[in-house]
Amino acid sequence: EPEVTQTPSHQVTQMGQEVILRCVPISNHLYFYWYRQILGQKVEFLVSFYNNEISEKSEIFDDQFSVERPDGSNFTLKIRSTKLEDSAMYFCASSGAGAALATNEKLFFGSGTQLSVL
Amino acid sequence: AQSVTQPDIHITVSEGASLELRCNYSYGATPYLFWYVQSPGQGLQLLLKYFSGDTLVQGIKGFEAEFKRSQSSFNLRKPSVHWSDAAEYFCAVGVTGGGNKLTFGTGTQLKVEL
Repeated sequence: EPEVTQTPSHQVTQMGQEVILRCVPISNHLYFYWYRQILGQKVEFLVSFYNNEISEKSEIFDDQFSVERPDGSNFTLKIRSTKLEDSAMYFCASSGAGAALATNEKLFFGSGTQLSVL
Repeated sequence: AQSVTQPDIHITVSEGASLELRCNYSYGATPYLFWYVQSPGQGLQLLLKYFSGDTLVQGIKGFEAEFKRSQSSFNLRKPSVHWSDAAEYFCAVGVTGGGNKLTFGTGTQLKVEL
């Protein structure tokens, strides 16, 4: 089965530093997402991205966050100035035709990047 | 807004025993419902989904789930658990017009005793 790849698997950073989390979605997919899971809490939606722009974002996704598809294969999440509360597992996901909820399309998740902000 | 409750944080079953993981959702209309599994070091893998039709849904790895509108539930079942089923299980809901955004429950950690 095709895979979404995320790098690095673990990242440690100092508070106030910028981090970039990288994802390689499945090659023919069109819709891209970031979710995060703070330890012991729910997996939360952050943002969805289609046609080189954000299609939806949650209230968590404030001005400190940005996403980019810099080339034809990568999808990145940047946190401009990390805070302690940004420590979480960040999951990238992708889907094909976009209507993943109402069809047999699937949302494929990567294995996540564990971000620790010290 | 929609929400998902998974009342059991941890469940332990013996290998070969049957399994039922509970999921309740809150949403005014018919939701789209999902079960995902996360093994250590792995991503979230889709087990099954319900979006219309037959309320009993078959998934991968021998799992099934039943949508019960009257109970707002979508419980996951497996008749005979294998040690490799030990993982964390997440129920999620999506809604009409909600794009592809999923709302997840807090997860149930399954331990399998040999």
